[in-house]
Amino acid sequence: QQQVKQSPQSLIVQKGGISIINCAYENTAFDYFPWYQQFPGKGPALLIAIRPDVSEKKEGRFTISFNKSAKQFSLHIMDSQPGDSATYFCAAKTVDNFNKFYFGSGTKLNVKP
Amino acid sequence: ETGVTQSPTHLIKTRGQQVTLRCSSQSGHNTVSWYQQALGQGPQFIFQYYREEENGRGNFPPRFSGLQFPNYSSELNVNALELDDSALYLCASSLDMGQGIEAFFGQGTRLTVV
Repeated sequence: QQQVKQSPQSLIVQKGGISIINCAYENTAFDYFPWYQQFPGKGPALLIAIRPDVSEKKEGRFTISFNKSAKQFSLHIMDSQPGDSATYFCAAKTVDNFNKFYFGSGTKLNVKP
Repeated sequence: ETGVTQSPTHLIKTRGQQVTLRCSSQSGHNTVSWYQQALGQGPQFIFQYYREEENGRGNFPPRFSGLQFPNYSSELNVNALELDDSALYLCASSLDMGQGIEAFFGQGTRLTVV
């Protein structure tokens, strides 16, 4: 059973547009929700993360929106650039002693010039 | 760059063989986690080592084993390789465990089993 469900699988956005990727989870014990960016041949790199006690976090062009009651969170990339073309993963982790992240299945973003 | 290095970057093995993958964690980090990422999928947690002890395990069989050394570097060993073991293997290091602790990933080892 997939703990974190991510959509869409792929996304094409024009340069300057807004990219939106959505994730949903079931486990209410999750308490840390990071987003990772992965380029081909590279490991995932942390973009931005949020805890469930806030509804939004913004860092530069990247914003996480978090809806605790709906058990959903999303990544918004404002003013999308061709350099943002990569695969994005949402993830979640429970409050315990493990760094066991549950990852979504990924969204391949293509930003057209 | 994250400071987490993995070796080798690519590896081809035959079904039934054994393989050892290595991870050098970021300086000062005492926790290492290993993940398997199949093509087109998100990473799946294999296990975690904290101060040289296995400290959590995902849904992987015992033929997946590991070690963490006093300098906190780590190895992932896979015995009796199967074709489905072909994947990108990632290690992630962090300073300690718990809430909101950022994990830094290496570039991965691409394992192909033929």
